[in-house]
Amino acid sequence: DIQLTQSPSFLSASVGDRVTITCRASEDISSFLAWYQQKPEKAPKLLIFAASTLQSGVPLRFSGSGSGTDFTLTINSLQPEDFATYYCQQLNSYPRTFGQGTKVEIK
Amino acid sequence: EVQLVESGGGLVQPGGSLRLSCVASGFSFSTYYMHWVRQSPEKGLEWLSRLNSDGSTKLYADSVKGRFTVSRDNAQKTLYLQMNSLRVDDTAVYYCARAAPGGRGLDYWGQGALVTVSS
Repeated sequence: DIQLTQSPSFLSASVGDRVTITCRASEDISSFLAWYQQKPEKAPKLLIFAASTLQSGVPLRFSGSGSGTDFTLTINSLQPEDFATYYCQQLNSYPRTFGQGTKVEIK
Repeated sequence: EVQLVESGGGLVQPGGSLRLSCVASGFSFSTYYMHWVRQSPEKGLEWLSRLNSDGSTKLYADSVKGRFTVSRDNAQKTLYLQMNSLRVDDTAVYYCARAAPGGRGLDYWGQGALVTVSS
Protein backbone atom coordinates (compact mmCIF):
# COMPACT_ATOMS: atom_id res chain seq x y z
CA ASP A 1 0.00 0.00 0.00
CA ILE A 2 1.12 3.56 -0.68
CA GLN A 3 1.73 5.52 2.51
CA LEU A 4 1.16 9.27 2.67
CA THR A 5 2.93 11.34 5.29
CA GLN A 6 1.74 14.87 5.94
CA SER A 7 3.71 17.57 7.71
CA PRO A 8 3.23 19.26 9.95
CA SER A 9 0.48 17.43 11.85
CA PHE A 10 -0.53 20.68 13.49
CA LEU A 11 0.10 24.31 12.76
CA SER A 12 -0.93 27.54 14.35
CA ALA A 13 -1.41 30.54 12.08
CA SER A 14 -3.05 33.96 11.94
CA VAL A 15 -5.63 35.38 9.58
CA GLY A 16 -3.79 36.68 6.53
CA ASP A 17 -0.87 34.26 6.84
CA ARG A 18 0.39 32.08 4.02
CA VAL A 19 0.27 28.43 5.02
CA THR A 20 2.01 25.46 3.40
CA ILE A 21 1.23 21.79 4.07
CA THR A 22 3.26 18.98 2.55
CA CYS A 23 2.32 15.42 1.66
CA ARG A 24 4.95 12.83 0.83
CA ALA A 25 4.08 9.54 -0.86
CA SER A 26 6.02 6.33 -0.24
CA GLU A 27 6.28 5.77 -3.99
CA ASP A 28 5.77 7.67 -7.23
CA ILE A 29 2.10 8.55 -7.74
CA SER A 30 2.62 10.95 -10.66
CA SER A 31 0.01 13.69 -10.15
CA PHE A 32 -2.70 11.43 -8.76
CA LEU A 33 -3.27 13.33 -5.55
CA ALA A 34 -6.25 15.09 -4.01
CA TRP A 35 -6.57 17.48 -1.08
CA TYR A 36 -9.59 17.72 1.22
CA GLN A 37 -10.68 20.13 3.92
CA GLN A 38 -12.64 18.90 6.92
CA LYS A 39 -14.34 20.97 9.59
CA PRO A 40 -15.50 19.53 12.92
CA GLU A 41 -18.51 17.22 12.65
CA LYS A 42 -18.59 17.62 8.86
CA ALA A 43 -17.61 15.40 5.97
CA PRO A 44 -14.42 16.13 4.05
CA LYS A 45 -14.70 18.54 1.14
CA LEU A 46 -12.69 18.14 -2.06
CA LEU A 47 -10.40 21.11 -2.67
CA ILE A 48 -7.89 19.98 -5.28
CA PHE A 49 -7.43 16.99 -7.58
CA ALA A 50 -4.68 15.98 -9.99
CA ALA A 51 -2.30 17.62 -7.52
CA SER A 52 -2.96 21.16 -8.73
CA THR A 53 -6.45 21.48 -10.22
CA LEU A 54 -8.88 23.47 -8.11
CA GLN A 55 -12.29 21.91 -7.63
CA SER A 56 -15.15 24.09 -8.83
CA GLY A 57 -16.18 26.67 -6.26
CA VAL A 58 -12.99 26.51 -4.21
CA PRO A 59 -11.45 29.94 -3.54
CA LEU A 60 -8.37 30.87 -5.55
CA ARG A 61 -6.29 31.38 -2.38
CA PHE A 62 -5.96 27.57 -2.34
CA SER A 63 -3.35 26.04 -4.61
CA GLY A 64 -1.60 22.71 -5.00
CA SER A 65 1.66 21.65 -6.54
CA GLY A 66 3.99 18.71 -6.88
CA SER A 67 4.34 15.41 -8.66
CA GLY A 68 5.99 12.07 -8.07
CA THR A 69 6.33 11.77 -4.31
CA ASP A 70 6.27 15.33 -2.97
CA PHE A 71 3.21 17.56 -2.91
CA THR A 72 2.21 20.86 -1.37
CA LEU A 73 -1.05 22.55 -0.46
CA THR A 74 -0.75 26.31 -0.05
CA ILE A 75 -3.33 28.67 1.38
CA ASN A 76 -2.60 32.31 0.60
CA SER A 77 -4.02 34.89 2.99
CA LEU A 78 -5.63 32.51 5.47
CA GLN A 79 -9.26 33.35 6.20
CA PRO A 80 -11.26 32.56 9.36
CA GLU A 81 -13.24 29.87 7.52
CA ASP A 82 -10.00 28.07 6.55
CA PHE A 83 -9.27 26.88 10.07
CA ALA A 84 -9.84 23.16 9.64
CA THR A 85 -8.03 19.87 9.13
CA TYR A 86 -6.56 19.09 5.71
CA TYR A 87 -5.95 15.65 4.24
CA CYS A 88 -4.22 14.39 1.13
CA GLN A 89 -5.35 11.22 -0.67
CA GLN A 90 -3.53 9.32 -3.39
CA LEU A 91 -5.60 8.37 -6.44
CA ASN A 92 -2.90 6.33 -8.14
CA SER A 93 -3.81 2.87 -6.91
CA TYR A 94 -5.98 0.88 -4.52
CA PRO A 95 -6.31 1.05 -1.59
CA ARG A 96 -6.87 4.80 -1.87
CA THR A 97 -4.89 5.86 1.17
CA PHE A 98 -5.12 9.16 3.03
CA GLY A 99 -2.55 11.18 4.89
CA GLN A 100 -2.94 11.48 8.65
CA GLY A 101 -4.12 15.08 8.45
CA THR A 102 -2.87 18.56 9.26
CA LYS A 103 -4.88 20.64 11.69
CA VAL A 104 -4.70 24.39 11.09
CA GLU A 105 -5.62 26.37 14.19
CA ILE A 106 -5.85 30.04 15.00
CA LYS A 107 -2.77 31.53 16.64
CA GLU B 1 -28.39 19.70 -5.69
CA VAL B 2 -26.29 16.59 -5.15
CA GLN B 3 -27.09 14.86 -1.87
CA LEU B 4 -25.96 11.66 -0.24
CA VAL B 5 -27.80 10.62 2.91
CA GLU B 6 -26.57 7.71 4.99
CA SER B 7 -28.58 5.71 7.47
CA GLY B 8 -28.34 2.46 9.40
CA GLY B 9 -25.64 3.29 11.90
CA GLY B 10 -25.93 2.40 15.55
CA LEU B 11 -24.64 0.32 18.42
CA VAL B 12 -23.83 -3.33 17.77
CA GLN B 13 -22.06 -6.01 19.77
CA PRO B 14 -18.76 -7.52 18.62
CA GLY B 15 -19.45 -10.24 16.07
CA GLY B 16 -22.70 -8.64 15.02
CA SER B 17 -23.89 -7.23 11.71
CA LEU B 18 -25.18 -3.93 10.42
CA ARG B 19 -26.17 -2.61 7.02
CA LEU B 20 -25.58 0.98 6.02
CA SER B 21 -27.56 2.67 3.27
CA CYS B 22 -26.68 5.75 1.27
CA VAL B 23 -29.49 7.34 -0.74
CA ALA B 24 -28.42 9.57 -3.58
CA SER B 25 -30.26 12.44 -5.22
CA GLY B 26 -29.56 15.30 -7.57
CA PHE B 27 -27.41 13.39 -10.04
CA SER B 28 -27.46 10.38 -12.33
CA PHE B 29 -26.55 7.82 -9.67
CA SER B 30 -26.29 4.88 -12.06
CA THR B 31 -23.40 6.46 -13.97
CA TYR B 32 -21.06 7.08 -11.02
CA TYR B 33 -18.62 4.93 -9.13
CA MET B 34 -19.21 5.11 -5.39
CA HIS B 35 -16.93 4.66 -2.37
CA TRP B 36 -17.14 4.02 1.35
CA VAL B 37 -14.68 5.74 3.69
CA ARG B 38 -14.61 5.62 7.47
CA GLN B 39 -13.04 7.84 10.10
CA SER B 40 -11.98 7.15 13.64
CA PRO B 41 -9.73 9.09 16.02
CA GLU B 42 -7.29 6.17 16.06
CA LYS B 43 -6.94 5.58 12.31
CA GLY B 44 -8.04 8.87 10.75
CA LEU B 45 -9.62 8.62 7.31
CA GLU B 46 -9.58 5.07 5.99
CA TRP B 47 -10.72 4.11 2.49
CA LEU B 48 -12.85 0.96 2.60
CA SER B 49 -14.46 0.09 -0.70
CA ARG B 50 -15.24 1.10 -4.27
CA LEU B 51 -18.11 -0.06 -6.43
CA ASN B 52 -18.34 0.63 -10.14
CA SER B 53 -21.43 2.08 -11.77
CA ASP B 54 -23.22 -1.17 -12.60
CA GLY B 55 -22.16 -2.96 -9.43
CA SER B 56 -20.07 -5.58 -11.16
CA THR B 57 -16.63 -4.67 -9.81
CA LYS B 58 -15.95 -4.33 -6.10
CA LEU B 59 -12.74 -3.36 -4.37
CA TYR B 60 -12.05 -3.55 -0.64
CA ALA B 61 -9.43 -2.58 1.89
CA ASP B 62 -7.70 -5.57 3.45
CA SER B 63 -9.07 -4.55 6.84
CA VAL B 64 -12.66 -5.30 5.76
CA LYS B 65 -12.22 -7.84 2.96
CA GLY B 66 -14.32 -10.92 3.59
CA ARG B 67 -16.40 -9.18 6.26
CA PHE B 68 -17.94 -6.21 4.45
CA THR B 69 -19.89 -6.28 1.19
CA VAL B 70 -20.70 -3.27 -0.95
CA SER B 71 -23.67 -3.26 -3.31
CA ARG B 72 -26.03 -0.86 -5.03
CA ASP B 73 -29.55 -0.60 -6.35
CA ASN B 74 -29.47 1.86 -9.21
CA ALA B 75 -33.26 1.88 -9.55
CA GLN B 76 -33.52 3.01 -5.92
CA LYS B 77 -30.42 5.24 -6.19
CA THR B 78 -29.02 3.57 -3.10
CA LEU B 79 -25.59 2.31 -2.10
CA TYR B 80 -25.22 -0.27 0.64
CA LEU B 81 -22.51 -1.54 2.94
CA GLN B 82 -23.24 -4.84 4.63
CA MET B 83 -20.94 -5.22 7.63
CA ASN B 84 -20.57 -8.64 9.24
CA SER B 85 -18.33 -9.99 12.00
CA LEU B 86 -17.95 -6.51 13.39
CA ARG B 87 -15.04 -5.80 15.71
CA VAL B 88 -14.43 -3.10 18.29
CA ASP B 89 -11.94 -1.44 15.95
CA ASP B 90 -14.65 -1.04 13.30
CA THR B 91 -16.08 1.73 15.47
CA ALA B 92 -16.06 4.84 13.30
CA VAL B 93 -18.09 7.33 11.33
CA TYR B 94 -18.84 5.82 7.94
CA TYR B 95 -19.17 8.00 4.85
CA CYS B 96 -20.37 7.22 1.37
CA ALA B 97 -18.84 9.36 -1.33
CA ARG B 98 -19.23 9.91 -5.05
CA ALA B 99 -16.19 9.48 -7.28
CA ALA B 100 -15.69 12.31 -9.73
CA PRO B 101 -15.05 10.85 -13.20
CA GLY B 102 -11.51 10.39 -14.40
CA GLY B 103 -9.89 9.81 -11.03
CA ARG B 104 -10.56 13.33 -9.81
CA GLY B 105 -11.19 12.45 -6.20
CA LEU B 106 -14.33 12.13 -4.10
CA ASP B 107 -16.40 15.17 -4.93
CA TYR B 108 -19.50 14.65 -2.80
CA TRP B 109 -19.79 13.00 0.60
CA GLY B 110 -22.66 11.98 2.82
CA GLN B 111 -23.06 13.36 6.31
CA GLY B 112 -21.70 10.21 7.92
CA ALA B 113 -23.20 7.39 9.97
CA LEU B 114 -21.77 6.49 13.36
CA VAL B 115 -21.18 2.81 13.97
CA THR B 116 -20.23 1.79 17.50
CA VAL B 117 -19.10 -1.76 18.17
CA SER B 118 -19.14 -2.47 21.88
CA SER B 119 -20.33 -5.04 24.36
